[in-house]
Amino acid sequence: KQEVTQIPAALSVPEGENLVLNCSFTDSAIYNLQWFRQDPGKGLTSLLLIQSSQREQTSGRLNASLDKSSGRSTLYIAASQPGDSATYLCAGAYSGGGADGLTFGKGTHLIIQP
Amino acid sequence: GAVVSQHPSRVICKSGTSVKIECRSLDFQATTMFWYRQFPKKSLMLMATSNEGSKATYEQGVEKDKFLINHASLTLSTLTVTSAHPEDSSFYICSARDRTGGNEQFFGPGTRLTVL
Repeated sequence: KQEVTQIPAALSVPEGENLVLNCSFTDSAIYNLQWFRQDPGKGLTSLLLIQSSQREQTSGRLNASLDKSSGRSTLYIAASQPGDSATYLCAGAYSGGGADGLTFGKGTHLIIQP
Repeated sequence: GAVVSQHPSRVICKSGTSVKIECRSLDFQATTMFWYRQFPKKSLMLMATSNEGSKATYEQGVEKDKFLINHASLTLSTLTVTSAHPEDSSFYICSARDRTGGNEQFFGPGTRLTVL
């Protein structure tokens, strides 16, 4: 059974700081990993998708890395802003019998203090 | 592009009734859609994989007779919660994968179900 773990569960930092969110997965047979943002009571916003053959992806102030050998992914947020406050979820996609939905971590609840 | 909608966004029903939730891919065709459930302060859990024109594949522990899934077209999948009970109250989110390729899943905005 695949498991995805996110550390820390919650994080509060002052505006302007750079920060790193961590995600680890138990099964190296992952074929992609996605980072999402979820605002309270809302659906998911896809931030970055990293294919298993890739090492990292960048979008604006966000950079996500993937290291299959160590079972880790990180989401780096540069120059954090209050609008970045949300829950960040990472999810791994595994192929298996056609049922290849995503396995999610429990998320990191991020608060950026103005 | 890659927009997925869900309807309704919020529903309140009495215990014992059935509720249908629709998931639509608005600007692409999706041979595969996924249904997830999220309990308060918990992460998303995959319930089932919905394939156009065939039976859905359910995750272990998910009752297929209680959560009926129909994927009748390349742009629509429905989840029907039958004989709903208060413990079925949850946030239900669907996602869709573009049939033209790629592995990325695009998520709908979710449906908040409250069973009284």
